[in-house]
Amino acid sequence: IVMTQSPATLSVSPGERATLSCRASQSISSKLAWYQQKPGQAPRLLIYGASTRATGIPARFSGSGSGTEFTLTISSLQSEDFAVYYCQHYSDWPPYDFGQGTKLEIK
Amino acid sequence: EVQLVESGGGLVQPGGSLRLSCTASGFTFSRYDFHWVRQVTGKGLEWVSAIGTVGDTYYSGSVKGRFTISREDAKNSLYLQMNSLRAEDAAVYYCARERIFATLGEAFDIWGQGTMVTVSS
Repeated sequence: IVMTQSPATLSVSPGERATLSCRASQSISSKLAWYQQKPGQAPRLLIYGASTRATGIPARFSGSGSGTEFTLTISSLQSEDFAVYYCQHYSDWPPYDFGQGTKLEIK
Repeated sequence: EVQLVESGGGLVQPGGSLRLSCTASGFTFSRYDFHWVRQVTGKGLEWVSAIGTVGDTYYSGSVKGRFTISREDAKNSLYLQMNSLRAEDAAVYYCARERIFATLGEAFDIWGQGTMVTVSS
């Protein structure tokens, strides 16, 4: 299963909404996770089951989608949200493929 | 505190071997599956290997036959034995805990800080 994220880079101003996309090459139901990675840090789990926030993740992060199309939305960007975001499927594993990432940068 | 701590990275020559370790604390190690994920500098995440609670193992095609994942529950430790290393294996290697979220599937909820592997002559 190939995971394709778009766009590769997204420029958004603080306080605005960011929408990141992830597409699977075949249906993965809702077996999708989103991770955030900041420079020099390990990835952090944000969303699992396509739409459920992990423990401690702020409500401004939301996930949606099923099948092959998925979206991560950050409703009002804070300075700490600028990072790289990865989607990952866990359907028909292994391998547990990741998307190539979307870099969210300050506009 | 729930955490994973990797060690064992370093510089190795092409064709050489290295053994990575990942030590867990703050939770019952034996109840979880674990994974190794690597990241080439400036690139994305690549899943490498996994091990289940009963010792079942899985590998990506790029490392199968060269890497061996293992675990020692009595020591709360996960290992990755890497043989026949190539330049393209150079990366930061992360260990990660897999958590099962009932009917919502699973995801990697705890990650170590990573250990750097450099393959160069």
